[in-house]
Amino acid sequence: DGGITQSPKYLFRKEGQNVTLSCEQNLNHDAMYWYRQDPGQGLRLIYYSQIVNDFQKGDIAEGYSVSREKKESFPLTVTSAQKNPTAFYLCASSPLAGYSNQPQHFGDGTRLSIL
Amino acid sequence: EDQVTQSPEALRLQEGESSSLNCSYTVSGLRGLFWYRQDPGKGPEFLFTLYSAGEEKEKERLKATLTKKESFLHITAPKPEDSATYLCAVQGAGGTSYGKLTFGQGTILTVHP
Repeated sequence: DGGITQSPKYLFRKEGQNVTLSCEQNLNHDAMYWYRQDPGQGLRLIYYSQIVNDFQKGDIAEGYSVSREKKESFPLTVTSAQKNPTAFYLCASSPLAGYSNQPQHFGDGTRLSIL
Repeated sequence: EDQVTQSPEALRLQEGESSSLNCSYTVSGLRGLFWYRQDPGKGPEFLFTLYSAGEEKEKERLKATLTKKESFLHITAPKPEDSATYLCAVQGAGGTSYGKLTFGQGTILTVHP
């Protein structure tokens, strides 16, 4: 079955530690996205990528980094510079970014907490 | 800046009691309005895309409608399995050239048997 796989489902971070969240898709989608979801708030865009080896900052990129070395993979690193990392992180993909208005499809998320 | 406001924040219904969820939006050139369903601990599941005012889409007990300022998600004779958080998002044509979605905060729907 085609879809988006996020791992791990739960992740704990210690003070001063960087952690990496995995996102893999087998939908052959060009565009991939990372969102952060906090209770009572809408999803907020962290980073997005329209093509391999290219990515752009979203609305809340500070304290995060990404890479896009393969079409199917878009890992997110939460760095120690992110002072409030506790949240539910969602990865999404869509066939083509830019002027396409195709829906984005989401993985089942990673819940990150601070130890 | 695109904005989306959903109401009510929470809605409790009895099984079979029909109702509607509201999504009010401001956007610079609407390219699409999207409805998603999200179960606890899961990612959003795509339901509908609406592109222009007057458009309607249906799926089982759900019907989505669109005007120039808002969208409604009508739920007819809901069942307990319809309980979830329903998210609305818009994609605008102004400013950036990527497929950015602006999300509302969601409506938590609970259907009691």
